[in-house]
Amino acid sequence: DGGITQSPKYLFRKEGQNVTLSCEQNLNHDAMYWYRQDPGQGLRLIYYSQIVNDFQKGDIAEGYSVSREKKESFPLTVTSAQKNPTAFYLCASSPYPTGGPDTQYFGPGTRLTVL
Amino acid sequence: KQEVTQIPAALSVPEGENLVLNCSFTDSAIYNLQWFRQDPGKGLTSLLLIQSSQREQTSGRLNASLDKSSGRSTLYIAASQPGDSATYLCAVRQQSNAGNMLTFGGGTRLMVKP
Repeated sequence: DGGITQSPKYLFRKEGQNVTLSCEQNLNHDAMYWYRQDPGQGLRLIYYSQIVNDFQKGDIAEGYSVSREKKESFPLTVTSAQKNPTAFYLCASSPYPTGGPDTQYFGPGTRLTVL
Repeated sequence: KQEVTQIPAALSVPEGENLVLNCSFTDSAIYNLQWFRQDPGKGLTSLLLIQSSQREQTSGRLNASLDKSSGRSTLYIAASQPGDSATYLCAVRQQSNAGNMLTFGGGTRLMVKP
């Protein structure tokens, strides 16, 4: 059963804590992405990775960090430097390189709440 | 920088009505445009993808059109059903974008009442 899994579904963080969100895919996709979604808004790109051991900042990378040690895994750490981390976080993957009809496949999301 | 806008932000219609969702983008140099569906608290599901050379795509009761020169796309839903209730997001990929990165609109939250 191929797809993208994210865990946990709900996560609560205290002020000053770092937390790590998990994203795993078994689609054999090279590219992976992390997005943030605030209520009533679209998705904004945090980080993306086109290949193992390489990743790039997106539009809102400040206060976040990632790693890509394995093709199937792309964890996101929300650090204490992120001042407003309460949001819905979505992970996605896509085949790479892309040259024709393509899309991104999304996980079910993690809702992070700061207490 | 590309900006994507969706109007209206929310829409409530009675069951059976045909409806149109709008998406506009500021930079017409796009590679493709996609429409996604998002159910509350869930991830995104791709509905239709239109390449920049195409004018429209159809899937069942859904039809998406693209007018690249004017920076507009519409998603037409025929004979709406309560099960169509969800948020619909459009996203564009730029021609210069080698990493398949998408720019999303804010979404239209659709409610279809029985």
